[in-house]
Amino acid sequence: DQQVKQNSPSLSVQEGRISILNCDYTNSMFDYFLWYKKYPAEGPTFLISISSIKDKNEDGRFTVFLNKSAKHLSLHIVPSQPGDSAVYFCAAKFGNEKLTFGTGTRLTIIP
Amino acid sequence: NAGVTQTPKFQVLKTGQSMTLQCAQDMNHNSMYWYRQDPGMGLRLIYYSASEGTTDKGEVPNGYNVSRLNKREFSLRLESAAPSQTSVYFCASSEVTQEPQHFGDGTRLSIL
Repeated sequence: DQQVKQNSPSLSVQEGRISILNCDYTNSMFDYFLWYKKYPAEGPTFLISISSIKDKNEDGRFTVFLNKSAKHLSLHIVPSQPGDSAVYFCAAKFGNEKLTFGTGTRLTIIP
Repeated sequence: NAGVTQTPKFQVLKTGQSMTLQCAQDMNHNSMYWYRQDPGMGLRLIYYSASEGTTDKGEVPNGYNVSRLNKREFSLRLESAAPSQTSVYFCASSEVTQEPQHFGDGTRLSIL
């Protein structure tokens, strides 16, 4: 039972445009959500997070939106740059419990 | 500024062989984790250690054992490797379980 789902395995976006990566979850107990970025042959690196008490969190070009009623999380990257090409994982947890990861979305930025 | 270091980076084993994957962190983190990443499956937690002296099972612990040797080191052992354990293994650490995790660069393991 996949509690965190990233339904788009891949996404291509023109350089300079907005990239929107989506994530859906089924467990209403989740109260903390994270996005990780992964380059080939490297480990995932933490990008941005959001607590369930918020609906938006920004960090430079990256913004995460949380819609609790829809159990939906999205990551916006504006403007998209070639270095943003990577695999993006969303993850969720509640309390002290373990992180549950999505299956990842491969983002390709087209110059 | 090493962060989380995993050794080896690559390994090929035969079915039935045993091996230990090593992980060390230099950030003085309390919590450490072992994940495996398989195509289309995301990262799945094998074992974790919330603090020195404790270990707990994750989502997919069967066929693995772990040792939290000290605060810095957390090893993963395959006692009798099986082809289903072919995967990329990631070690991670965090200050506490609630904080974002820092990952190593992975060990690519193939079992023939």
